[in-house]
Amino acid sequence: DTEVTQTPKHLVMGMTNKKSLKCEQHMGHRAMYWYKQKAKKPPELMFVYSYEKLSINESVPSRFSPECPNSSLLNLHLHALQPEDSALYLCASGDRVANYGYTFGSGTRLTVV
Amino acid sequence: RKEVEQDPGPFNVPEGATVAFNCTYSNSASQSFFWYRQDCRKEPKLLMSVYSSGNEDGRFTAQLNRASQYISLLIRDSKLSDSATYLCVVNMWDDKIIFGKGTRLHILP
Repeated sequence: DTEVTQTPKHLVMGMTNKKSLKCEQHMGHRAMYWYKQKAKKPPELMFVYSYEKLSINESVPSRFSPECPNSSLLNLHLHALQPEDSALYLCASGDRVANYGYTFGSGTRLTVV
Repeated sequence: RKEVEQDPGPFNVPEGATVAFNCTYSNSASQSFFWYRQDCRKEPKLLMSVYSSGNEDGRFTAQLNRASQYISLLIRDSKLSDSATYLCVVNMWDDKIIFGKGTRLHILP
């Protein structure tokens, strides 16, 4: 299995809702990533988990809360988002200091209304 | 200086031509380097890793110059299907993976 699976593919949520994005990989990768991508911009790093521990938080607002239940799963919990948080949220996985690159999921397209 | 810099383009290139992109990075301790391709409304996909010795995959050649802190991508005999955004990706240290802004390529028939 060489894929990263993200669910849901699309999500519309109100500013008072709580929702979660899910990511799963079965490649045995030890690092998992959340990126946010706005239209015509590159992906921006949000969080990195390495060996199931949060290793990088790029000063992301607390309305985004990551969770890594095990080495294959990565969640992003969303609460009280703003319309400007609407974006494509990408999950990726890779080995630390990988020479073989990082595999991305197809993303969750989030719209906050 | 930005961590990873690329010319955003767009590059408008006739089919069959050769096109080259460069990317510079600021952290001399950066450890691994990649070119990704991203099509509109799709996720980035790995095109190739980049090594100091240079590497080639069909029509694509990538090169890393550590002394000057830049990487390059050369596409020969360009095809219409090569039209996409090409993203330079650098593993700055340990787990930090940073994207350049991307270079848009349009191959013209």
